[in-house]
Amino acid sequence: DGGITQSPKYLFRKEGQNVTLSCEQNLNHDAMYWYRQDPGQGLRLIYYSQIVNDFQKGDIAEGYSVSREKKESFPLTVTSAQKNPTAFYLCASSGDTITDTQYFGPGTRLTVL
Amino acid sequence: DAKTTQPPSMDCAEGRAANLPCNHSTISGNEYVYWYRQIHSQGPQYIIHGLKNNETNEMASLIITEDRKSSTLILPHATLRDTAVYYCIVRVREAGGGNKLTFGTGTQLKVEL
Repeated sequence: DGGITQSPKYLFRKEGQNVTLSCEQNLNHDAMYWYRQDPGQGLRLIYYSQIVNDFQKGDIAEGYSVSREKKESFPLTVTSAQKNPTAFYLCASSGDTITDTQYFGPGTRLTVL
Repeated sequence: DAKTTQPPSMDCAEGRAANLPCNHSTISGNEYVYWYRQIHSQGPQYIIHGLKNNETNEMASLIITEDRKSSTLILPHATLRDTAVYYCIVRVREAGGGNKLTFGTGTQLKVEL
């Protein structure tokens, strides 16, 4: 199946621990994105990457880090510096350089206890 | 950033057409209008996008006014499975070359028997 996978679907961590969320795509898309969604709210951009080994901060990058060592993978680390990490995290990718339509994964719901 | 305004909620009878309006009065000439939908606790699903002309695909039709300040998403024969939050989005080109999709709170469409 072609698409975007995120794992795990649910993740629990203790406060103060770093946690890495996985995002993989086999669509051969160059661009990948991470968004955060809080209850009843829209999505906010955390980080994005246009090509391998390059990424830029979005609107709410503080407390997060990313890497883009492979085209297929764009993991997001939620660090202990993120003050309110409990949220629904969504990864997206885009391969159309004209319209840049983004396709989303199923999301990871992170709960920090 | 071009912003969008949508009604918070709408109801539709199953089998009838669902017409979801969106205002984007500050849209620029080269900005696309996108529609996504999100079923609870899932990743957003791409529906359709357009620039100036009306568009139709297997899921929906998009009607954009001539002045481009508003648009309407039409689901021609709504089913219960179309119950979701529908987001109207104007794509913003980031300084780093990426494309940010600014999701507002959308319209909660409820399709009923």
